[in-house]
Amino acid sequence: GAGVSQSPSNKVTEKGKDVELRCDPISGHTALYWYRQSLGQGLEFLIYFQGNSAPDKSGLPSDRFSAERTGGSVSTLTIQRTQQEDSAVYLCASSRGPGSPLHFGNGTRLTVT
Amino acid sequence: KQEVTQIPAALSVPEGENLVLNCSFTDSAIYNLQWFRQDPGKGLTSLLLIQSSQREQTSGRLNASLDKSSGRSTLYIAASQPGDSATYLCAVREGYTGANSKLTFGKGITLSVRP
Repeated sequence: GAGVSQSPSNKVTEKGKDVELRCDPISGHTALYWYRQSLGQGLEFLIYFQGNSAPDKSGLPSDRFSAERTGGSVSTLTIQRTQQEDSAVYLCASSRGPGSPLHFGNGTRLTVT
Repeated sequence: KQEVTQIPAALSVPEGENLVLNCSFTDSAIYNLQWFRQDPGKGLTSLLLIQSSQREQTSGRLNASLDKSSGRSTLYIAASQPGDSATYLCAVREGYTGANSKLTFGKGITLSVRP
């Protein structure tokens, strides 16, 4: 596609439920990032995939968070047993490589009630 | 740990004014720096990327400069327009591979250009 696509655009879930957020990067982009943006806060790094290398998971806030990238393309961020503090906009970005600009999707706004 | 600061958090200017947005970072050993724009409810749009070996980049009415040694970057917007109203974020990348490849973001400057 022309840009990074994220789905769903909005997700409301009850506390304790699991959610899956999807990211389709730009075709040919080897690097994929997940960030979280909370109201009034900056962007918080979550996880980074580069090609076939092991992902950098250093930003995941707890073991309830996990992410996969299948076939070097689509990525899924999973949050288990959601908590109210997980409410945020989850942004995905991709790039051709480390020296290239990041291109962001429009994000998934997650609300945990 | 790298920290990126953008001050002030908000700025309001009349249309037509030339303006400078500031970004500072604590660790000068960066790989590159990128400026983004974010409109309400949207993702980030890349504006300019400056590699560590470069001093500035230009695109239309935008000019970004980088002074690595002092840990500073500026985004210059010429002849501002109401359509420039948005939040502007800067982000630094410290390395080429591994854990240093992630971008560290400032909290952004929310710009309002009054007609």
